[in-house]
Amino acid sequence: ETGVTQSPTHLIKTRGQQVTLRCSSQSGHNTVSWYQQALGQGPQFIFQYYREEENGRGNFPPRFSGLQFPNYSSELNVNALELDDSALYLCASSPGTDTYEQYFGPGTRLTVT
Amino acid sequence: GIQVEQSPPDLILQEGANSTLRCNFSDSVNNLQWFHQNPWGQLINLFYIPSGTKQNGRLSATTVATERYSLLYISSSQTTDSGVYFCAAEMIRSYIPTFGRGTSLIVHP
Repeated sequence: ETGVTQSPTHLIKTRGQQVTLRCSSQSGHNTVSWYQQALGQGPQFIFQYYREEENGRGNFPPRFSGLQFPNYSSELNVNALELDDSALYLCASSPGTDTYEQYFGPGTRLTVT
Repeated sequence: GIQVEQSPPDLILQEGANSTLRCNFSDSVNNLQWFHQNPWGQLINLFYIPSGTKQNGRLSATTVATERYSLLYISSSQTTDSGVYFCAAEMIRSYIPTFGRGTSLIVHP
């Protein structure tokens, strides 16, 4: 059974640029949730995708968008990057929309300069 | 939205010691989880415990939903227990998990 994987592991971008982060869900899981974790803070829920549709969104602006593909892998896109977007981005997959069964990937560390 | 507060923020222990971590939440919840984040950033589910008590080896957790708190007990701590422990709560009808700021645990040999 393959776990949740994320790419890239680290990324450095300049303010104003756009970034795409990728997540492959665990085998048998049809739901992916994305979280932002700033340094010294707990993860904050960005949104969840279930069967290719957005299924719940946290308090993040529209420049944070996502996609889920037929194989249930997912992308997180962030436009017009700001310095405060620097964080660890975590994705988690689950066999359904209940988050108590979610398994987290290792994260992508994004630095915006 | 729901508020989740964890205490203490930092904890330093000698190997073999026991500890109790606390999580208070501000509203009724349908989901309460405990996670461990290792020094490399990997988050691991420890317990799904909206109410009652569960045990898994040296770890156990208790949630008293009516009083809106949960406790994580670590017994006979080991250096590999080091990291940050988070609780996350979902308010009823919300289904959006809210994490606390975590308790940072360092276990010295």
